[in-house]
Amino acid sequence: QSALTQPASVSGSPGQSITISCSGSSSDVGGYGHVSWYQQHPGKAPKLMIYDVDNRPSGVSIRFSGSRSGNTASLTISGLLAEDEANYYCSSYTNTNVRLFGGGTKVTVL
Amino acid sequence: EVQLVESGGGLVKPGGSLRLSCAASGFTFSSYSMNWVRQAPGKGLEWVSSISSSSSYIYYADSVKGRFTISRDNAKNSLYLQMNSLRVEDTAVYYCAGDYYDSSGYYDYWGHGTLVTVSS
Repeated sequence: QSALTQPASVSGSPGQSITISCSGSSSDVGGYGHVSWYQQHPGKAPKLMIYDVDNRPSGVSIRFSGSRSGNTASLTISGLLAEDEANYYCSSYTNTNVRLFGGGTKVTVL
Repeated sequence: EVQLVESGGGLVKPGGSLRLSCAASGFTFSSYSMNWVRQAPGKGLEWVSSISSSSSYIYYADSVKGRFTISRDNAKNSLYLQMNSLRVEDTAVYYCAGDYYDSSGYYDYWGHGTLVTVSS
């Protein structure tokens, strides 16, 4: 049960677009549709931003989008805002019904 | 308003036990799969355990298998985590989270967490 692989940090200027990657295997990210992305501000509970690879829950800004290529999922934030500064985690279920999280990516708005 | 409220955290010595509870309200608890997810201080999220809506399917992370037991009482809208043989590395904020799919989409709710500290 190894964690999914995310970059430790990503930064961008206001208005720019950034992309966070999440690498796994064919037993998790690449093999199943249940890939999710969470945003977590310090001291707060995680908030779902993307589910099933590329679906946005009601109320989440259209600036957030998800995609997948092979065993790597990605979260793109467009038109970066100061409020987007947070930690982001990917999550995927595996072929043994175990749930994995990525190590987290700290997004900094310059 | 949807609410998940965890309780039962605290300070416990290595080898000790704790029972966490999560009280749910504002949604149809009995339809949701429920999870415990933890976060060690300054670290990332780690999935601990999941239980299906009717308790038919239960899964654990390898790190807690044989020591932790998840359960639920749909009549009381409550989720539980019995934690035995606690280790220092179990120190974390424990979140209760629920999820559900229907024709309208996917619903995912989290509590604010309860802190478990394992220390001598």
